[in-house]
Amino acid sequence: EPEVTQTPSHQVTQMGQEVILRCVPISNHLYFYWYRQILGQKVEFLVSFYNNEISEKSEIFDDQFSVERPDGSNFTLKIRSTKLEDSAMYFCASSETSGGTLGTDTQYFGPGTRLTVL
Amino acid sequence: AQTVTQSQPEMSVQEAETVTLSCTYDTSESDYYLFWYKQPPSRQMILVIRQEAYKQQNATENRFSVNFQKAAKSFSLKISDSQLGDAAMYFCAYRSASGADKIIFGKGTRLHILP
Repeated sequence: EPEVTQTPSHQVTQMGQEVILRCVPISNHLYFYWYRQILGQKVEFLVSFYNNEISEKSEIFDDQFSVERPDGSNFTLKIRSTKLEDSAMYFCASSETSGGTLGTDTQYFGPGTRLTVL
Repeated sequence: AQTVTQSQPEMSVQEAETVTLSCTYDTSESDYYLFWYKQPPSRQMILVIRQEAYKQQNATENRFSVNFQKAAKSFSLKISDSQLGDAAMYFCAYRSASGADKIIFGKGTRLHILP
């Protein structure tokens, strides 16, 4: 069964450094998402992306964050200058559509990247 | 703003028994989707079951079923014949049907299966 993959599984970085988290969505999916989960807290939506544009973003997704689909398979989340509070599990998700009643808008999640900022 | 509340941080159930996880939500919308996601120790978020708000019939997926009470804004998950592999964090989640992409998650319920 196709699945979303993410690399690396764990990233350790120094405060102020840039990090890029990578995701390979399911191949026929067109909508891509990033969520994060700070340890012990809720999973929170960061951003959604379609047709090479951000379609929705949360208040968390400030100017330090950016997303990109650099080629036909990867979807990346960049944090320009990491802060201690960016330490979290980051989940990528993808869906075939963004709406409808056939279930094709179901978001499938990757295994996550644990980001630790020191 | 929509919210999702899971009032049971942890639950335990004997293997082969049935357990029900509770979830309530708040929304002013009439059309939306509700989900239960499972997050085992491997951390992968796996979709367990999905319910469209316009459907009166409760969704079922094998041993998993929901009790969707739209008027009460309640969406509980029943797991029958619990298995050791069901041990995980379970998240109740909401998504608007009005074009918004984001899924709103509850805090989760950690389910322990006792052998």
